[in-house]
This record gives sequence, structure tokens and C-alpha cells, in this order.
Amino acid sequence: DAGITQSPRHKVTETGTPVTLRCHQTENHRYMYWYRQDPGHGLRLIHYSYGVKDTDKGEVSDGYSVSRSKTEDFLLTLESATSSQTSVYFCAISARGGAGLSGANVLTFGAGSRLTVL
Amino acid sequence: SQQGEEDPQALSIQEGENATMNCSYKTSINNLQWYRQNSGRGLVHLILIRSNEREKHSGRLRVTLDTSKKSSSLLITASRAADTASYFCASMDDGSRLTFGEGTQLTVNP
Repeated sequence: DAGITQSPRHKVTETGTPVTLRCHQTENHRYMYWYRQDPGHGLRLIHYSYGVKDTDKGEVSDGYSVSRSKTEDFLLTLESATSSQTSVYFCAISARGGAGLSGANVLTFGAGSRLTVL
Repeated sequence: SQQGEEDPQALSIQEGENATMNCSYKTSINNLQWYRQNSGRGLVHLILIRSNEREKHSGRLRVTLDTSKKSSSLLITASRAADTASYFCASMDDGSRLTFGEGTQLTVNP
């Protein structure tokens, strides 16, 4: 997982509290993503960023917000954590994006952040 | 909605045997990728096949893509105990997002 770090790696919190997960990269990649992984659902995209201050929603964005104020950091915030947000969260980065046969989007993943909401 | 679906969900084989995992997807794609995840770790990219390719090889890995059937398969030849992991297919649409399937848990018994 060289070049991409997630913090915290483990967190236990209570329902209703705000939580922020941080993803930090040293690769200067343009694209950054937040996924959550749950049994029976694989990985589902929460939000992604295609540049500083440029973000878009994924398929499970409700209850989450993101911010990217500089290239290297992508923050995921749970405004008011719920038990359904107990999950393992993965950040990923990519140097390339876009369509076309010459484009490809291979992701490098962080080690994950395990969040438990009681 | 889930774009990719892997089959089988779990596969247990003996060392030296071949392992085949299948993936189906729903919409048109730019490329399809396979990733591996060891227990408690992040995913690692294995191989990418573009929509205009039908087969690709990388070491002991062979990937096929059938766009008419919206399906792909990953073959691991001469499997080793170290190949034990979860394997995910991920389809890339015309934008910048990868959509992952639920994964196949492969167990290779020594």
C-alpha cells in the first residue's frame, strides 16, 4: 500500500457522532475514491474526486460527504454516524481516468479503515 | 445496482489444480479488471482487459472477455496455497468509475 495511507485504521464510535476518515497519497494522482466493503455487497463507491475541489457522488453517497482541498488528501465525513455505516472503508487512487481505448483506470488501494458504530 | 457478479461465490481446490472464476456485468464497458484481496488487506490490481480484446495473459493468469454475453472469466493455472484470497472483477464504464462485483473466495489447499 505504498503511497497511500488511511487514518484511522480502526475506530469505534457511537450513533449520532460525526466521524472523519482521512486518505493521504504521495503519488500526486488526480483521482481519489472512497469505497465501503460489506459482506454480500462487495465494494460500493461512496464518492470520488477528479481533482482539487472536484467531487461526485457514487452509488451509496447518502449520509456521507467528502472534501478535497489539496491533491494529496481526500476526507470522508459521516455527518451523524449510524449503525448501518459500520463497515470497512477503502480509499483508492488512480493516475488516469476517462473513456476511450487509450484510457484506463487502474486503482491502487489503501489498507482500509474499519469503522464500528455502536 | 451491482454491476459485476462473480460466480462461484466460493471455490476450494487442491494445490496444482486450475481455478476458474466468472464475472457478469450489466452495461457497456470500457474495460474490465480483476483484483485480488488477501484477508484484512486492500485490493491489488491483477489484470485489465479492454472492451476490444478477447483474451489476455499475465503469468499464470488468463482472462477472457465476451462482450456479447457481458461476461468475463479469470483462470489461475497451477494454483498455489499463496493464491488463497478473494478475487473481484470490476467493470469500468465510459466515465471514471469502477464498479465491483461481490467477489469469489478462493481457497487453495496444500
